[in-house]
Amino acid sequence: QAGLTQPPSMSKGLGQTATLTCTGNSNNVGNQGAAWLQQHQGHPPKVLSSRDNRRPSGISERFSASRSGNTASLTITGLQPEDEADYCCSAWDSSLNGVVFGGGTKLTVL
Amino acid sequence: EVQLVESGGGLVQPGGSLRLSCAASGFIFTNYWMHWVRQAPGKGLLWVARIDSGGSGTSYADSVKGRFTISRDNAKNTVYLQMNSLRAEDTAVYYCATVFEIWGQGTMVTVSS
Repeated sequence: QAGLTQPPSMSKGLGQTATLTCTGNSNNVGNQGAAWLQQHQGHPPKVLSSRDNRRPSGISERFSASRSGNTASLTITGLQPEDEADYCCSAWDSSLNGVVFGGGTKLTVL
Repeated sequence: EVQLVESGGGLVQPGGSLRLSCAASGFIFTNYWMHWVRQAPGKGLLWVARIDSGGSGTSYADSVKGRFTISRDNAKNTVYLQMNSLRAEDTAVYYCATVFEIWGQGTMVTVSS
């Protein structure tokens, strides 16, 4: 099943801003938006932003999500060492009748 | 505390069966569709199956269709994944999740002789 497209890696400096992208189509991201997940090595995913771009309780304001057409974006400001992780987008696909994920972007904080 | 706790993983031979369970607590279970998602070692997340809040509607990834069955017991706040005819490529950490809100810790399934 086709997934969402994310760049595989990104490197940014401490304190900088990173913008991660996730591209789908009108059946998934363009239809119902995308949620963003953060996953540290050896840990389960954690939801950073819901499909309507809202942060769950306890998630830092440094994380913000948006969408334009079929592309969702996650912006992380003031990068910290603990932000080094894999970031994955997810969306409901109405044509596949299932969830699709991006391949994930590995963010390195220099 | 909002929680999903998976159990039932382990080592199984190719062609064997395993049943995973996921106990939910801290939220209104019947408000959510529930999913199973897996992650092979060093790989990304792969959606496996979902079940609607009432338990009557299900869908599956092509790779598991006909072999895996998802079900839920709303009286017990529990969702299940029955896995039959297991293959080596089914080896992964299996997560129970609402996907867009809540994730469990995962349970490891290893298919090997």
